[in-house]
Amino acid sequence: AQSVTQLGSHVSVSEGALVLLRCNYSSSVPPYLFWYVQYPNQGLQLLLKYTSAATLVKGINGFEAEFKKSETSFHLTKPSAHMSDAAEYFCAVSVNTNAGKSTFGDGTTLTVKP
Amino acid sequence: DTAVSQTPKYLVTQMGNDKSIKCEQNLGHDTMYWYKQDSKKFLKIMFSYNNKELIINETVPNRFSPKSPDKAHLNLHINSLELGDSAVYFCASAPGSGANVLTFGAGSRLTVL
Repeated sequence: AQSVTQLGSHVSVSEGALVLLRCNYSSSVPPYLFWYVQYPNQGLQLLLKYTSAATLVKGINGFEAEFKKSETSFHLTKPSAHMSDAAEYFCAVSVNTNAGKSTFGDGTTLTVKP
Repeated sequence: DTAVSQTPKYLVTQMGNDKSIKCEQNLGHDTMYWYKQDSKKFLKIMFSYNNKELIINETVPNRFSPKSPDKAHLNLHINSLELGDSAVYFCASAPGSGANVLTFGAGSRLTVL
């Protein structure tokens, strides 16, 4: 079975500061890893995904994440936060042998202060 | 055109009632899902269908019954609604193979009084 742990249910940064959202995963087989973003009263949308190609993955809105197998981590970063980045962020893991089931972390609420 | 559309967006009903939520996707995906998001924003998979066949059925009360008339539609019927069923229910679809990126609908907020 696969699982995901997101460290920090709430992260607050100032506008222009570095954003770092942490995600650690557990999987018995090579995983696919995802970050999704949820804006208020909306569904989730994909930010970026890791599918065993490049370990540094670039996504939309200036976000990127690095897959580190030795640390079982897939942390999300953005060099400079915008007010519009305020949202709920979910890390998710799936494996090819489990009917494509994605398991989500508990989410991290990102607040951006002016 | 909305890729994954759910109706209704809001549902307010009394305990004991029966309600349905409908979902349609126009992406040509093979797999569709129902996820439940509770008040703490935790997201849990409920069901998954692949080409109309049920493939994932997590620990969900029998009062919840999904139905997939074709691979573009996945509906959720809930009998004898309880207070604890209040949540946002998300439909999602995915190609059904490979990395299986999910495309979510906008959600259906169910409030049981």
